[in-house]
Amino acid sequence: DVKVTQSSRYLVKRTGEKVFLECVQDMDHENMFWYRQDPGLGLRLIYFSYDVKMKEKGDIPEGYSVSREKKERFSLILESASTNQTSMYLCASGSPGTGSYNEQFFGPGTRLTVL
Amino acid sequence: KNQVEQSPQSLIILEGKNCTLQCNYTVSPFSNLRWYKQDTGRGPVSLTIMTFSENTKSNGRYTATLDADTKQSSLHITASQLSDSASYICVVSAHGTASKLTFGTGTRLQVTL
Repeated sequence: DVKVTQSSRYLVKRTGEKVFLECVQDMDHENMFWYRQDPGLGLRLIYFSYDVKMKEKGDIPEGYSVSREKKERFSLILESASTNQTSMYLCASGSPGTGSYNEQFFGPGTRLTVL
Repeated sequence: KNQVEQSPQSLIILEGKNCTLQCNYTVSPFSNLRWYKQDTGRGPVSLTIMTFSENTKSNGRYTATLDADTKQSSLHITASQLSDSASYICVVSAHGTASKLTFGTGTRLQVTL
């Protein structure tokens, strides 16, 4: 089974702190993604990566950056946390797939609270 | 703009009953549609995935249908169990978007005794 793990299930930080969220996948997937999920808004894509050291902005990249130094690891960085970044953060990984399939497998999520 | 709308927003049913969740989408050009189940405080887990040529797919007590002409999908849950209590998210992928997905906001299902 595909396993996507995230470094923390719950995290509490203060405004202005630098925050690192780590994600690791064990299936040698090329693609990795960071989403945030807020009530009533569904999942929104922050950043994604197709390969090591490659990254592309998603729909809401402002206030975030990412790092992918190794294929299995994708980090989300909040340079200076703000209260409006309080959210559930979900990491996903997947291969480009065959045919029309581009399955994404999700981690358990990190509930971040910024005070 | 690509959009996915789900209804109802929430639903409460008695254990053992059936229910159907709806998904309408405007994603184009359509590639595939999937349904995810998300337990509270957990990441989504895939239930089914369908391409343009598939109009029904089952996974145990879950059956998804797809009408690509009307751009509608449904997820039918048979003989519901307490463990079915979760959010169900409809997700659509468009061709050429390199794995970018459009998510619905989900239907929150509660199964009660």
